[in-house]
Amino acid sequence: NAGVTQTPKFRVLKTGQSMTLLCAQDMNHEYMYWYRQDPGMGLRLIHYSVGEGTTAKGEVPDGYNVSRLKKQNFLLGLESAAPSQTSVYFCASMGHEQYFGPGTRLTVT
Amino acid sequence: AQSVTQLGSHVSVSEGALVLLRCNYSSSVPPYLFWYVQYPNQGLQLLLKYTSAATLVKGINGFEAEFKKSETSFHLTKPSAHMSDAAEYFCAAAYNNNDMRFGAGTRLTVKP
Repeated sequence: NAGVTQTPKFRVLKTGQSMTLLCAQDMNHEYMYWYRQDPGMGLRLIHYSVGEGTTAKGEVPDGYNVSRLKKQNFLLGLESAAPSQTSVYFCASMGHEQYFGPGTRLTVT
Repeated sequence: AQSVTQLGSHVSVSEGALVLLRCNYSSSVPPYLFWYVQYPNQGLQLLLKYTSAATLVKGINGFEAEFKKSETSFHLTKPSAHMSDAAEYFCAAAYNNNDMRFGAGTRLTVKP
């Protein structure tokens, strides 16, 4: 099992550009999550999904959109990137615990 | 709002010394509690979790944590620090499947 994987690992965007982060899990989990990690703030929940075709807002959803078209994939989109979205993004899926991907380091200039 | 507080953003110990990382949660209903470890440029790895079965929880790598309801605490300890324990540690509380709150993290440094 690969667990939770994320692509890409690194990305640099200019303000206003768009991009999509992909998360994939092979554990057949229903719940999936997107977090952002910023220094001194721990992880904050952006959006989550309780199953294929469903998504919901977390603590910091503004500026992001998500889709869960397939159970194994959870996509995070930035339509118009802003410097405040510079962060490390983690995807997780939930079985008896949350399993985390390795992260995507995004810089918006 | 529910929150998790980790006292001390940086903790430094000598190799072989006791490790104590503090975590307090805010809730009248004890949630599920977790400790995660993050090594540089990696994701979070579960160290241990509390699910009300026992107040003293043993995890991987010699770590353990004790749930104290009266103090709303879930402090992480290890009797003897090893150089490989240097990492960032996060305490988290799950109030339900859709609401997991993380502390700000504690960076542990181990001196030789």
